Amino acid sequence: AQTVTQSQPEMSVQEAETVTLSCTYDTSESNYYLFWYKQPPSRQMILVIRQEAYKQQNATENRFSVNFQKAAKSFSLKISDSQLGDTAMYFCAFMNPLYGGATNKLIFGTGTLLAVQP
Amino acid sequence: SAVISQKPSRDICQRGTSLTIQCQVDSQVTMMFWYRQQPGQSLTLIATANQGSEATYESGFVIDKFPISRPNLTFSTLTVSNMSPEDSSIYLCSVAGSSYEQYFGPGTRLTVT
Repeated sequence: AQTVTQSQPEMSVQEAETVTLSCTYDTSESNYYLFWYKQPPSRQMILVIRQEAYKQQNATENRFSVNFQKAAKSFSLKISDSQLGDTAMYFCAFMNPLYGGATNKLIFGTGTLLAVQP
Repeated sequence: SAVISQKPSRDICQRGTSLTIQCQVDSQVTMMFWYRQQPGQSLTLIATANQGSEATYESGFVIDKFPISRPNLTFSTLTVSNMSPEDSSIYLCSVAGSSYEQYFGPGTRLTVT
């Protein structure tokens, strides 16, 4: 069974600094997708970034980038120039597409609560 | 990305009653999902709802407790039946994007007393 582990329940960073959130996963599949979602206190889940396992290049979206290490099954999120609006719960998620199947299930980690301090 | 709305945004219900949560999407989508997020916890998939077919439930969730309707490509409902305090959670719907990502609604915060 696939699992996703986020070992940092809480983290804190000063505004304008850089922070890295860790995520590891376990799977025997070779084709899968990884995601980072952000859930601010308002609770709307927002997609931050996605990575396709067959792509070696790390995904980037503005201040957000990932370090994808397929062999190590690691998928960390780096937030550069942290802003107060980045304060949120961050969830790492895994998805193995079932071709022809009825469901593309997202498996979530337990989350990391990030606080950006002024 | 799709724009998703949910109704109600929150509710307080008495045990033994049922609540139906609505999820509306601004575009036609094939796959919709319902998740539960218990207080301080991560998200757990309840079921996948495809239009024109019966919902597919995850282990631990049954249709009698969480009946789902999917009458068309832009709408779905989840009913939480015979509620108990343990059903107090945030319930979120999501839709599948074009590249396996999912987009989420704002959630429904349910408190059962």
